[in-house]
Amino acid sequence: AQTVTQSQPEMSVQEAETVTLSCTYDTSESDYYLFWYKQPPSRQMILVIRQEAYKQQNATENRFSVNFQKAAKSFSLKISDSQLGDAAMYFCAYRSAGVSYGKLTFGQGTILTVHP
Amino acid sequence: EPEVTQTPSHQVTQMGQEVILRCVPISNHLYFYWYRQILGQKVEFLVSFYNNEISEKSEIFDDQFSVERPDGSNFTLKIRSTKLEDSAMYFCASGGPGAGGQFYGYTFGSGTRLTVV
Repeated sequence: AQTVTQSQPEMSVQEAETVTLSCTYDTSESDYYLFWYKQPPSRQMILVIRQEAYKQQNATENRFSVNFQKAAKSFSLKISDSQLGDAAMYFCAYRSAGVSYGKLTFGQGTILTVHP
Repeated sequence: EPEVTQTPSHQVTQMGQEVILRCVPISNHLYFYWYRQILGQKVEFLVSFYNNEISEKSEIFDDQFSVERPDGSNFTLKIRSTKLEDSAMYFCASGGPGAGGQFYGYTFGSGTRLTVV
């Protein structure tokens, strides 16, 4: 079974600075998807960014980018120019590509605080 | 942008009572899910549903739980006899192709906070 580990229960960053959230995963599969979801205080789950394992290029979405290291099974999220609205719980998630629209396996989450 | 709608947003029920949580997935999505998040903990998969049947379920999804798509638009989660430990946030999600027909991701609803007293 796949597992996802987020080793940072909490992180903080100053507004306009850059922060990196860590995620590692364990799988024997070669093809899969990885995601970062944001959960603000409203508790809605919002997709931030996704990465296909077969793509070597790291995904980027505006101020959000990932560092995907397949051999190391590492998938970190970098938030540049942090804004107060980025404060939330961030979850890393894994999905096997071998099952059509299979389940997501989530990490424990990292609470991000943004200081003005 | 299409949304997944969940009702109610908050439900309080007495232990032993049945509850039904409702979800309206995105209309062109074919895959539906329920996840649970106990306060302060990680999000856990409960069940996935495709082509009018359960495609996968977790060990949490025991005989007390059932899912149904009664009318082609709603997707419901029923808990037959609630326990205190069922208190959690329940998220519905749906999955379907994005622009270009490729897999994009999953869209989550805003959740139903279930409190069992």
